[in-house]
Amino acid sequence: ETGVTQSPTHLIKTRGQQVTLRCSSQSGHNTVSWYQQALGQGPQFIFQYYREEENGRGNFPPRFSGLQFPNYSSELNVNALELDDSALYLCASSSPSTGGQETQYFGPGTRLLVL
Amino acid sequence: AQSVTQPDIHITVSEGASLELRCNYSYGATPYLFWYVQSPGQGLQLLLKYFSGDTLVQGIKGFEAEFKRSQSSFNLRKPSVHWSDAAEYFCAVGYTSGTYKYIFGTGTRLKVLA
Repeated sequence: ETGVTQSPTHLIKTRGQQVTLRCSSQSGHNTVSWYQQALGQGPQFIFQYYREEENGRGNFPPRFSGLQFPNYSSELNVNALELDDSALYLCASSSPSTGGQETQYFGPGTRLLVL
Repeated sequence: AQSVTQPDIHITVSEGASLELRCNYSYGATPYLFWYVQSPGQGLQLLLKYFSGDTLVQGIKGFEAEFKRSQSSFNLRKPSVHWSDAAEYFCAVGYTSGTYKYIFGTGTRLKVLA
């Protein structure tokens, strides 16, 4: 158990809808990263939040957005859902270390199906 | 550009046999390397990590990995596989480019025969 929790565990939406996924980070961690894992693939970096600010972004369109709250929990929002958004969405929490020696701890993920 | 390659998509071994999962990376600086395991429908569990120092690192569940800079490899090994090791294994490189993030390989699915 990493102490990282995500909700909901599963979600079914239709094309064009909007979805919000939630993540609670491990105690003591102030950084949350989100990844998308399509079926049969490795996770792909979406973006990262550090102290409530977006701290970097992968190759994902602006309809993927997020928030981080003062307690370091985070949300991932996806607007105008497309079929290809169907995936496992993973949240990882960490705490920046000097020299970049940072380990990310992952939650169980939210499985999103877009019909 | 940074990349991680796991050449074996599927591997099948018999219970009790030894295991080696391959991982090659491309990264210009000192890599931070990780192995994670994912059971079906689950998140990623950290097996072990390499930041610096001793190139042979020990992890949980009896796994170990060896960092070989000359071969740009970080192969995962286990001397005797248990049926409960059946899962998908991901190698990752952690690096900073504006922000710290991971690049993952595509994974190796391990099947264990009784």
